[in-house]
This record gives sequence, structure tokens and C-alpha cells, in this order.
Amino acid sequence: KNQVEQSPQSLIILEGKNCTLQCNYTVSPFSNLRWYKQDTGRGPVSLTIMTFSENTKSNGRYTATLDADTKQSSLHITASQLSDSASYICVVSAGIGTGTASKLTFGTGTRLQVTL
Amino acid sequence: DVKVTQSSRYLVKRTGEKVFLECVQDMDHENMFWYRQDPGLGLRLIYFSYDVKMKEKGDIPEGYSVSREKKERFSLILESASTNQTSMYLCASSYGGRVTEAFFGQGTRLTVV
Repeated sequence: KNQVEQSPQSLIILEGKNCTLQCNYTVSPFSNLRWYKQDTGRGPVSLTIMTFSENTKSNGRYTATLDADTKQSSLHITASQLSDSASYICVVSAGIGTGTASKLTFGTGTRLQVTL
Repeated sequence: DVKVTQSSRYLVKRTGEKVFLECVQDMDHENMFWYRQDPGLGLRLIYFSYDVKMKEKGDIPEGYSVSREKKERFSLILESASTNQTSMYLCASSYGGRVTEAFFGQGTRLTVV
């Protein structure tokens, strides 16, 4: 069964500090991995996508890494801001060809709170 | 910018009512999805559609049905609402074939009393 596990479940950090969120997956065959940010009461918004051949990708203060051998990904947030307070969801897409909508497997998310 | 619009942000319905949740996308996407999101469970797929009038069951279709009469619109129907269907409902859309990115609506918080 395809699964995506995220850790920690929740995290509180001071503004300006860095943090790293983890994602482990057992999705086969792997197509890509995406990190989403979800503000409270809103729909998820994509931060970055990682394909099999990519190890690191940055989007501003967000840097995602992917180790396809160990099936792990991380999202590193640098110099956190209050607006980073949100849930961060790891989503893995299985590559099963075209013609039908492949299913996405979602992690349960990490709830990040940035405080003063 | 891709826009996925859900008809309501908040809904309160009574047990046994028939409930319609509407979703419209403006990017000519082939695929559309309905998820529900509950604390500790993440997003779970209810139904998806890869073409007009085509639908497939997701992981938790019981108690729900869907309708896709036009490419841009995907409706989720709760035939007889129950309290265990109180949840956040998220609609998403994507280009056809392999899903590389799903674009989400803002969500509908449904409370069944």
C-alpha cells in the first residue's frame, strides 16, 4: 500500500530560526514528490516539485531535498517568518503511465507555528 | 493563474439533507478531484473524474456521488448527510494523464448537525 509519513506532527519555532520537516514515502513506481503549504482554512498551494533525478530544489527561503534511494524528502525553511505558520503537506505521485488520473498519496502534514 | 473555485466556504446542513458542493476550474483541466480532510488523517480521495461524464471511485466513496456534465464543473453530492460527513472538502484539478500537480480550491467547511 502506498504511504507517506511526515514528521514531526507539529513544530513551534521562534521567528528567524530555521527548521527542517521530514517526509518518508513508500510509493511505487515513483513519479514525483511535491510539498504543499496550507494556511488555516485554505486549500493547499504548491511550493516545489521534485522528480526522480533531482536532489535539491529551492524556492526562496524553502529548500526541498530528495533521496530516491532511501525514499526520503525534507523541506528546509530558512529565517522563518510569522507568515510561514501553516501546515506543510508532502504529496507523492505514482507514475503509472498516461490516460488515467494517477492517484496522489498525501502525508498528514506537519503543523508549523512561528512565534515572536 | 489557475483558479479553482468552490461555491461555499462554510455550510451548515441538517442530518438527512441532500447536499451539493460545487467546484469550477478555469484552466481547461481534464482531471478533477474531490477530497475530504480531517485532523490526523490528511487528505483522502472521495471521487475523481478524468473526462466529462467519467468518474472513478477514490478511497472513501461511500455516502457520496459526483456529477461532471461540463468539463469545468465537478459536483460532489451527499445523498443523505450524516454527522460523520462533517469535514473540510477540497476540490482540485489537474492536466490530463499523469498528475504532476493538483491545483486546489479554497475548501468548503461542512458541518452536519
